Amino acid sequence: GENVEQHPSTLSVQEGDSAVIKCTYSDSASNYFPWYKQELGKGPQLIIDIRSNVGEKKDQRIAVTLNKTAKHFSLHITETQPEDSAVYFCAATAQGGSEKLVFGKGMKLTVNP
Amino acid sequence: GAGVSQSPRYKVAKRGQDVALRCDPISGHVSLFWYQQALGQGPEFLTYFQNEAQLDKSGLPSDRFFAERPEGSVSTLKIQRTQQEDSAVYLCASSLNRDLYGYTFGSGTRLTVV
Repeated sequence: GENVEQHPSTLSVQEGDSAVIKCTYSDSASNYFPWYKQELGKGPQLIIDIRSNVGEKKDQRIAVTLNKTAKHFSLHITETQPEDSAVYFCAATAQGGSEKLVFGKGMKLTVNP
Repeated sequence: GAGVSQSPRYKVAKRGQDVALRCDPISGHVSLFWYQQALGQGPEFLTYFQNEAQLDKSGLPSDRFFAERPEGSVSTLKIQRTQQEDSAVYLCASSLNRDLYGYTFGSGTRLTVV
């Protein structure tokens, strides 16, 4: 089945720096790749997603890139702010077109003021 | 309501007790999912409903776990004879159209089995 690896597991940056989170997946049939932000005591919140027919997508300070050949995708956050501090999860569909997602183990981002 | 609502927020059960966790999805969302999130880990898929039909239950860890959504709205996840390894946060998510809108997760129920 699908396996999603995420790294690094923790990242600490200064306010205003950029942060990059990288994920790899194993199933070449996967076609949907969302990113979630989870704050303490809350459920994961979708922040951006990308489908396999697109190489890059941007939304204000966040962007996601997808390399289908290498089976990896990355989240880029620019001009980080303290409120960006949270755990970030990448995910991929287990099978092409399937509803269920396989998540990475998460990355704890700390943005220091 | 505006979001996915889960109750209770916290549940402490003695080993061997049965528990029932409730999920109220966003009105009109046809897809409903249950995930289990262990401490420090990503969510893991348990089961998926489309309306009242349970289309995928491949993630349920044992026959002690049972989920239902009889009228295609509210869902209940039941765990029988709870064990310590069942301690986790149980997340519910709903979706109108995953490819367009993604999932919306609730805040989860934290289950602690003592």
